[in-house]
Order: sequence, then structure tokens, then C-alpha cells
Amino acid sequence: KQEVTQIPAALSVPEGENLVLNCSFTDSAIYNLQWFRQDPGKGLTSLLLIQSSQREQTSGRLNASLDKSSGRSTLYIAASQPGDSATYLCAVSRQGDSSYKLIFGSGTRLLVRP
Amino acid sequence: ETGVTQSPTHLIKTRGQQVTLRCSSQSGHNTVSWYQQALGQGPQFIFQYYREEENGRGNFPPRFSGLQFPNYSSELNVNALELDDSALYLCASSLGFGVSGGFFGQGTRLTVV
Repeated sequence: KQEVTQIPAALSVPEGENLVLNCSFTDSAIYNLQWFRQDPGKGLTSLLLIQSSQREQTSGRLNASLDKSSGRSTLYIAASQPGDSATYLCAVSRQGDSSYKLIFGSGTRLLVRP
Repeated sequence: ETGVTQSPTHLIKTRGQQVTLRCSSQSGHNTVSWYQQALGQGPQFIFQYYREEENGRGNFPPRFSGLQFPNYSSELNVNALELDDSALYLCASSLGFGVSGGFFGQGTRLTVV
């Protein structure tokens, strides 16, 4: 059974700091891995999607890496801003499944202090 | 902003009642997935509909049921509501097999009292 874990559960950093969020999964037979952002009480916005054959994806100040063999992914946020404050969720889909049957971690709540 | 719309945005129901939540899919998408997100937790997969047929179900009891219409919009029905059903219900619209990417709606906040 696939399990997804995110560490830390919460993080508070001063504005401008670079930071890393961690995600681990127990079964390496994944189709893809996604990082999402969720603002309080809102839906999910996809930030980065990494196919199982890829090692990383970048979008602006965000960089996500994937190491299937170790069951880990990291989301790197450069030069953090108060507007980055949100919950960040990682999710995997399994090989053979359609891409939106997702298994989520519990998220990391990020606060960027001005 | 995505083309995935959920209604209603909030509702309050009494234990034992029934509720129907609705989700419109993004134009061109044939798959809708439903998730339940309890406070402080990640979303949990309820079920998925692909071209009007159920295509997989998570660990939820039969009182959670769904439907997908020919225009690929979808409903989630929950019977005999329990207090623990209080959560944010999210739907996601996507293109199903072999294609990555999709969009989540803004969710319906259900409170059971």
C-alpha cells in the first residue's frame, strides 16, 4: 500500500530565505508525482508535475526533484516571499492508474514572515 | 482560474440527512475524481468517473455514491450523514488515462451538525 509522508508538518521562515520541503513515498512504482499549493479553505493549484522518467522540473523560483529509487521528492523554493505562505502537498499516482487517482501526503504548512 | 466549478461552496447538514455535491468539468476533460479533505489532513481519494463509468474507488463506505453525466459533469451523494463527514470535498477534472495534468475545483465545505 502506497503511503506518502511530508516533513516538516509546519515551517516558519523569514522572507528571502531559501527552503526545502520533503516528500517520501513507500512504493516506487509511480506514474508521476505532483506538488500542489493550497491556500486556507481553498482548492489545490498544481505547481509542478514530474513524470516517473524525469528527475526534476522547474518553474520560476520553484524546483522539484524526484528520486524514485529512494522514494523521495523535494520542493525547493528560492528567495521565499510572504505570498508563498500556504500549505504544500505532494501526491503520487500509481503506474497503470489514470493520472488523477492521487495519494496525498498531509502537507507542509509554510509561513513566510515579512 | 480553472474551468472546474463546484457547488455549493458551503453547506450545513444535520446528522442522518443526505447531501448532493456538484462538479462541472473542464471543457474537453472526460474524467472527474472526488476527494475528501478533513481539517489538517491531505485529500483522500473517494472515487473517479471516466466517461460516465466508475473507475476506481477508495476506502469509503457505499453511502458515498456518485454519478457522471454525458457532459462529464459529476455529482457526489452522501447518505446518512455522520459528524465525521464534515470536510472539504474537492473534485478534479482530467483527461484520464495516459495523460497527465488536470484541475481542481475550489471545493465544497460540508459541516454536519
